[in-house]
Amino acid sequence: AQSVTQLGSHVSVSEGALVLLRCNYSSSVPPYLFWYVQYPNQGLQLLLKYTTGATLVKGINGFEAEFKKSETSFHLTKPSAHMSDAAEYFCAVSPPSGGYNKLIFGAGTRLAVHP
Amino acid sequence: EPEVTQTPSHQVTQMGQEVILRCVPISNHLYFYWYRQILGQKVEFLVSFYNNEISEKSEIFDDQFSVERPDGSNFTLKIRSTKLEDSAMYFCASSVSQLSSYEQYFGPGTRLTVT
Repeated sequence: AQSVTQLGSHVSVSEGALVLLRCNYSSSVPPYLFWYVQYPNQGLQLLLKYTTGATLVKGINGFEAEFKKSETSFHLTKPSAHMSDAAEYFCAVSPPSGGYNKLIFGAGTRLAVHP
Repeated sequence: EPEVTQTPSHQVTQMGQEVILRCVPISNHLYFYWYRQILGQKVEFLVSFYNNEISEKSEIFDDQFSVERPDGSNFTLKIRSTKLEDSAMYFCASSVSQLSSYEQYFGPGTRLTVT
């Protein structure tokens, strides 16, 4: 069965610092991979996704993630944190082919950005 | 930009009562989903729905739960006899396709509190 692990339930960075949120998946076949962001009192918004092709994926708001099959990882990064990046971030996976695309989520990482 | 809407934003009910959570998916989407997030836990898949039928359901989605698309716009989740452990945030999502590579768009959620 597929599962997702997000290391660190809380991450705190200074404004302007690198953001690194970690995600590892467990699957016999590389799944499709997603990062969602949730701002307070809002729904989940897709930041970026990896399906096939280039393993470095760029998303909205300056975020990017790299799929590393050998490490079964899909870590999210942003070179310079902004105060508006404070939110909860969820990594999710979905079966790569056929079937219906239910998402399997990690536990989430709450990002705090301080001045 | 089209969005998924959910009502109410917060529902308080007594144990044993029936509740109906409502969602209006994006108008040209064909696939609909419910997820829930118990406080402090992962977002969990409940059910997917297409062509007026359940496509897939999780172990959580037992006989107490049902879904319906009563008209061309609404998608509802009914819990027949609520339990304390049903207290959670419930998210509706929709997508244009069932393929795993297609994005699911999430609503802002309904917080259900069972007392």
